[in-house]
Amino acid sequence: QVHLQESGPGLVKPSETLSLTCTVSGYSISSGYYWGWVRQPPGEGLEWIGKIYHTGNTYYNPSLKSRVTISVDTSNNQFSLKLSSVTAADTAVYHCTRVYSFTASTDYFDYWGQGTLVTVSS
Amino acid sequence: QSVLTQPPSVSGAPGQRVTISCTGSSSNIGAGYDVHWYQQLPGTAPKLLIYGNSNRPSGVPDRFSGSKSGTSASLAISGLQAEDEADYYCQSYDSSLSGYVFGTGTKVTVL
Repeated sequence: QVHLQESGPGLVKPSETLSLTCTVSGYSISSGYYWGWVRQPPGEGLEWIGKIYHTGNTYYNPSLKSRVTISVDTSNNQFSLKLSSVTAADTAVYHCTRVYSFTASTDYFDYWGQGTLVTVSS
Repeated sequence: QSVLTQPPSVSGAPGQRVTISCTGSSSNIGAGYDVHWYQQLPGTAPKLLIYGNSNRPSGVPDRFSGSKSGTSASLAISGLQAEDEADYYCQSYDSSLSGYVFGTGTKVTVL
């Protein structure tokens, strides 16, 4: 069974960089699939952030692209998210996901981490 | 802001059938992109419920069904049970936004 677990600071100061890591177990990232991040502000809906393939190929939400970097570490079966210049609007539960990605017209998120709350506050 | 619109809430008595709509446009659902549905129980991560418009992953009861027509999609829950109380989200791809988009979410309440 594929299991994803997020880790990282729960509090980040405004204007700083949010950094999270997702550790995958039960499946080797190098075997395929895209791996991504989705966030959910408290009491609100879901927003896709971006995705990465084990080769390092990335796609980002255009609304966040200027601030987002997703990277992969196949040796540790992990992938990471960095979001720069954060504000209170970036306060959210951040979920890492596996993306079933065959073509853009069919893609969906088939496995999710439990999520980690990141609060942006001084 | 979400480009896929869902009703904020739907409710039904145990055993009843409820449906949740997901309305999009010509740049997402209407463009032929598949619609997928997720169930989010209170305090938990979203769980894939329906993929490819109408397919259920292994382990999802056949009480849940999905359909798509034109620029909209629907999720139906038949034989409503107390354990179905959750938030439900649709998801697709939008060519204008060049990314995945989610619906506004619907809270299902079992009366």
